[in-house]
Amino acid sequence: KAGVTQTPRYLIKTRGQQVTLSCSPISGHRSVSWYQQTPGQGLQFLFEYFSETQRNKGNFPGRFSGRQFSNSRSEMNVSTLELGDSALYLCASCPGTGVTGELFFGEGSRLTVL
Amino acid sequence: AQKITQTQPGMFVQEKEAVTLDCTYDTSDQSYGLFWYKQPSSGEMIFLIYQGSYDEQNATEGRYSLNFQKARKSANLVISASQLGDSAMYFCAMREPFFNKFYFGSGTKLNVKP
Repeated sequence: KAGVTQTPRYLIKTRGQQVTLSCSPISGHRSVSWYQQTPGQGLQFLFEYFSETQRNKGNFPGRFSGRQFSNSRSEMNVSTLELGDSALYLCASCPGTGVTGELFFGEGSRLTVL
Repeated sequence: AQKITQTQPGMFVQEKEAVTLDCTYDTSDQSYGLFWYKQPSSGEMIFLIYQGSYDEQNATEGRYSLNFQKARKSANLVISASQLGDSAMYFCAMREPFFNKFYFGSGTKLNVKP
């Protein structure tokens, strides 16, 4: 069974540009969530999608947005990039809801903003 | 309010010895899940072990065990017989009921010495 796939793995952008990151969850997983990881702030929840609906959103500005497609694949977009957006962006999927069952993470997309 | 606290930024352990990584959590929910993840330098988050709030027995997975003390709200990870490959960042996480939102601690960097 294929794991969570994130593309691209590495990218470099300049301030003011926008970026789109892609995530393909494990087959059958309907929930996809995104996390931002930085040395200073650690792992922070961005948002979660379940069956194409955003169910949860973290405390991030409106420049951060996402969506989920009918095949559960998800994209996140960051507009008007700032230096502080440099981070590892991790996508995770899981089958459904409840407190059991772990998140399955992708290898992440490492974004550098110059 | 911070939900997950890991007070050990870094730890050293001798190969083949046991090590305990501390984690305390804060929640008013009766039902929740506690998880530990390992993150090697490659960046991927690897699931290690899970403990449900209603589980009476401490969880074990191979060399990993979770010392769950509900009244103290602690969920410490014990790694027995440390190996060089255990050198990594370790994150404690809590999952809210009904939503796939995880709160992560700041992590503990474990270094295993030969």
